[in-house]
Amino acid sequence: GAGVSQSPSNKVTEKGKDVELRCDPISGHTALYWYRQRLGQGLEFLIYFQGNSAPDKSGLPSDRFSAERTGESVSTLTIQRTQQEDSAVYLCASSLWDTQVPQHFGDGTRLSIL
Amino acid sequence: QQQVKQSPQSLIVQKGGISIINCAYENTAFDYFPWYQQFPGKGPALLIAIRPDVSEKKEGRFTISFNKSAKQFSLHIMDSQPGDSATYFCAASMGGGADGLTFGKGTHLIIQP
Repeated sequence: GAGVSQSPSNKVTEKGKDVELRCDPISGHTALYWYRQRLGQGLEFLIYFQGNSAPDKSGLPSDRFSAERTGESVSTLTIQRTQQEDSAVYLCASSLWDTQVPQHFGDGTRLSIL
Repeated sequence: QQQVKQSPQSLIVQKGGISIINCAYENTAFDYFPWYQQFPGKGPALLIAIRPDVSEKKEGRFTISFNKSAKQFSLHIMDSQPGDSATYFCAASMGGGADGLTFGKGTHLIIQP
């Protein structure tokens, strides 16, 4: 596709459930990033992939959060045992190299935990 | 924790006026300062960026001014248009990469026709 694609666009789930968020980066981009954006806040870094490896997982807020990337393309962010404080927009971005800041982000997945 | 402080939180400017958003940083290791524009329901998009070896960068109606000694930088939008109404985020990075990219909290800009 032409841009970064994320699915689902919206997700509502009950507290305690697991959720999986998907990101399809721009074709050929080796670097992929996940950010979290809480209402009225800036972007909070979660994790970054260089190819299929994740050299920096320091932003993951707890061990309930995990992410993987396969085939140097699609990435999934999984949140286990969701809590209400996980409610946010989860944004994915990609760039050609990891020496570039993200040029474009996907439109995000708006996650609401009831 | 690395911080980038952004102000104002919200800004209303008349069409044709100049919009000015300010940011300040603490970590002198930051060496790349991008600005992002975000429309409602959309992801941010890179707008313009500057390195600390220059004091100003201009792209069309958008200008970044950089003051290294004061550790401050600002975005100026000249001849502001209603289509510029969006949330603007400043950010700071080490090494130019997204690893370590730290965002300000954003400025909600409204351009009144």
